[in-house]
Amino acid sequence: DAGVIQSPRHEVTEMGQEVTLRCKPISGHDYLFWYRQTMMRGLELLIYFNNNVPIDDSGMPEDRFSAKMPNASFSTLKIQPSEPRDSAVYFCASTNGRNTEAFFGQGTRLTVV
Amino acid sequence: DQQVKQNSPSLRVQEGRISILNCDYTNSMFDYFLWYKKYPAEGPTFLISISSIKDKNEDGRFTVFLNKSAKHLSLHIVPSQPGDSAVYFCAAWAGNTGKLIFGQGTTLQVKP
Repeated sequence: DAGVIQSPRHEVTEMGQEVTLRCKPISGHDYLFWYRQTMMRGLELLIYFNNNVPIDDSGMPEDRFSAKMPNASFSTLKIQPSEPRDSAVYFCASTNGRNTEAFFGQGTRLTVV
Repeated sequence: DQQVKQNSPSLRVQEGRISILNCDYTNSMFDYFLWYKKYPAEGPTFLISISSIKDKNEDGRFTVFLNKSAKHLSLHIVPSQPGDSAVYFCAAWAGNTGKLIFGQGTTLQVKP
């Protein structure tokens, strides 16, 4: 397996635009997590899915953020409208069950100008 | 509310010496703990883990210690090598919710 795949690697957008980040988890993994890396909070959990169902989205900072997982091999994180303070690195990770290691993608570096 | 805390943003150690990275947590429902290593422009990679039923786990130069009564874990790297220079994240699984929560990270610099 190629591991967790995120796209794009880099995204530069203007304030107010819609941004969509994409993630393909490892095949067979049943948990998918979206994180945002910031200096203050480290890896901040935004939302996670189990068997394609969103379980906890309490980490999503605002209603401008939304995430979907239409099938076991694809998830999106959308920001609409984007703001400069959303600039960060966003990571997707997947696991095969709980209490085990999570595998991370290489991240998407988002810059909102 | 930061449930997993790494209070030291950075640590500098001489090559060959021991590196000790610390992590505190607040949720007593956390039952599995992990350490990750992250290089710039890459995703975090798994290093070592420990179940809450153990107090120590060792893998080569890396040892993780868990003190449940103090809600504290630490990662020991002996001997430290320049290639260990990276950001280290502590993480915990919450058994009652299925959440995997990370700390703020500690940047380790190992000087040759």
